[in-house]
Amino acid sequence: QVQLQESGPGLVKPSETLSLTCNVSGNPISSGFYWGWIRQPPGKGLEWVGGYYDSDNIHYNPPLKGRLTISEDASKKHFSLKLSSVTAADTAVYYCAASKGGQPLFDYWGQGTLVTVSS
Amino acid sequence: DIQMTQSPSTLSASVGDRVTITCRASQSISSWLAWYQQKPGKAPKLLIYKASILESGVPSRFSGSGSGTEFTLSISSLQPDDLATYYCQQYQSYSPLTFGGGTKVEIK
Repeated sequence: QVQLQESGPGLVKPSETLSLTCNVSGNPISSGFYWGWIRQPPGKGLEWVGGYYDSDNIHYNPPLKGRLTISEDASKKHFSLKLSSVTAADTAVYYCAASKGGQPLFDYWGQGTLVTVSS
Repeated sequence: DIQMTQSPSTLSASVGDRVTITCRASQSISSWLAWYQQKPGKAPKLLIYKASILESGVPSRFSGSGSGTEFTLSISSLQPDDLATYYCQQYQSYSPLTFGGGTKVEIK
């Protein structure tokens, strides 16, 4: 059973970089899973941010691609999201999620963390 | 991008009613469709994958059908615990993975 927990600052200034970590417990990050980030602006729907199988198979949502980096820690106990040059439009609850079946759908979710972009 | 369009955006039904939500894809996604339930203030929960396969532990009153571009999520007998917003998600293409806009289910 996989448990996921997001961590990171709740407030980021415009033009700065949003950095979040997803701590994985229960099982180390392993092959065969798909790991991802999804966000949800307040009162709105879900938006896929990006995800990966391994370091050679990372996928980004095209509108975010130039600002986004998803990476995995060598310990395989957490993975991270960095989104640069943020604006108010990046204000959202950010979820990390995973799929044990390897397909890019999500059967494990973190509780989510609200990140507000404001000066 | 593959656009996912859900209807209705909101529905109100009574306990015991049969409820149906529709999700349409802008191009064929075969059966690569998942449904999620999101209760207020909570993370989404996977209900159905590959259009019609019920995730383990999900009540059997939930069912999914469809293929190609048109899909449905049905609740055979609406329960108070089903108050939530429901989302579809296509996983045919990573460029990008896309969700429908959501259907909010209210209990009359």
